Amino acid sequence: SQQGEEDPQALSIQEGENATMNCSYKTSINNLQWYRQNSGRGLVHLILIRSNEREKHSGRLRVTLDTSKKSSSLLITASRAADTASYFCATDRAAGNKLTFGGGTRVLVKP
Amino acid sequence: ETGVTQTPRHLVMGMTNKKSLKCEQHLGHNAMYWYKQSAKKPLELMFVYSLEERVENNSVPSRFSPECPNSSHLFLHLHTLQPEDSALYLCASSQTTGVTEAFFGQGTRLTVV
Repeated sequence: SQQGEEDPQALSIQEGENATMNCSYKTSINNLQWYRQNSGRGLVHLILIRSNEREKHSGRLRVTLDTSKKSSSLLITASRAADTASYFCATDRAAGNKLTFGGGTRVLVKP
Repeated sequence: ETGVTQTPRHLVMGMTNKKSLKCEQHLGHNAMYWYKQSAKKPLELMFVYSLEERVENNSVPSRFSPECPNSSHLFLHLHTLQPEDSALYLCASSQTTGVTEAFFGQGTRLTVV
């Protein structure tokens, strides 16, 4: 079974609103990463948060990590139409060398 | 442009054909990966290479055969594929297999007919 699972599977918002998506995982991790994928293209790395960090910011992105709940959230503030994409969390397990992805959240930002 | 290049971008092949996907990175990374992305399914890790040595093989059918001749190049040789193998095949690289970000190519959209 997959290590990370995103929630919700799909999200539709108006431009200017905030978008929040969550990721839950099952085993201990070294770090958690968020990636973005535009339709049919490769994934682009957004942000990495280490297991000893609780919050991280990058521009309009804010990521939190709660290792006690094995969950992370990605917040996109003041969304733009160009933020329309699928967003994936990925975990690097404490044991092993796999970067394992969740099923993704499809975000639609309407202008 | 991430620095990881995949060719071809699109491929249509018959079930009896043999074809190869190519991935190239000049980022100085030591680890390279093949992922499969099917519709409505999470990304599936297929193979991991570290310093040209295969370190992970996720129970992938033998009709998929990877090759890593050097740290900059990764191939996925395909033969006698099935229609259910149609998917987006993504190559990625990272500095190491540990706590680092992965850089992805644009993918090869494979259709098996």
